[in-house]
Amino acid sequence: DTAVSQTPKYLVTQMGNDKSIKCEQNLGHDTMYWYKQDSKKFLKIMFSYNNKELIINETVPNRFSPKSPDKAHLNLHINSLELGDSAVYFCASSQDGQYRVTNEQFFGPGTRLTVL
Amino acid sequence: AQSVTQPDIHITVSEGASLELRCNYSYGATPYLFWYVQSPGQGLQLLLKYFSGDTLVQGIKGFEAEFKRSQSSFNLRKPSVHWSDAAEYFCAVTPMFSGGYNKLIFGAGTRLAVHP
Repeated sequence: DTAVSQTPKYLVTQMGNDKSIKCEQNLGHDTMYWYKQDSKKFLKIMFSYNNKELIINETVPNRFSPKSPDKAHLNLHINSLELGDSAVYFCASSQDGQYRVTNEQFFGPGTRLTVL
Repeated sequence: AQSVTQPDIHITVSEGASLELRCNYSYGATPYLFWYVQSPGQGLQLLLKYFSGDTLVQGIKGFEAEFKRSQSSFNLRKPSVHWSDAAEYFCAVTPMFSGGYNKLIFGAGTRLAVHP
């Protein structure tokens, strides 16, 4: 069984479009994350949710809006896509919480977004 | 500012040779330290982590890493590399006091190529 899954795996779209990426984890974790990996392989955290509550927002443009319908899901919606949004987006989850640290983050396989 | 430096962008070794990947961090205090591996087209997998205690930590796939506080380093080593070790390796840190949330900060990665 896949621990952290993302859909779609590949996403090719035109500038200006709106798109969503979905993430699901079946590990029973409380915390989920979105990371962006650019063309130089640099990974940077974008958002983190704990029990459906936003806890980390790393100066990401307002065009990016995460949504967590329940603690097993964290979706990423992107409005008005720009060329610079082309990247691989990774979802991750961990058992971390407000009073619990140092746990491993489990990563999904990534979604490669290409904006034309 | 918090940062992680991986000085080597690309390393090539022969199969069976030893390997050392370098990682230096810049923090006010000792953070938690991680090494992740990313195989082509895959998500990230945790190799090992250091929180406290013994400064030499063992991980999966025969990897180990040594924490040296005086050098702010956490270098990854393997005594004998296998062709399947070819991948991208990321060093990451998280502040020890981050409000309970495991916000990973990644280095730029080191791409490892293995010659037969």
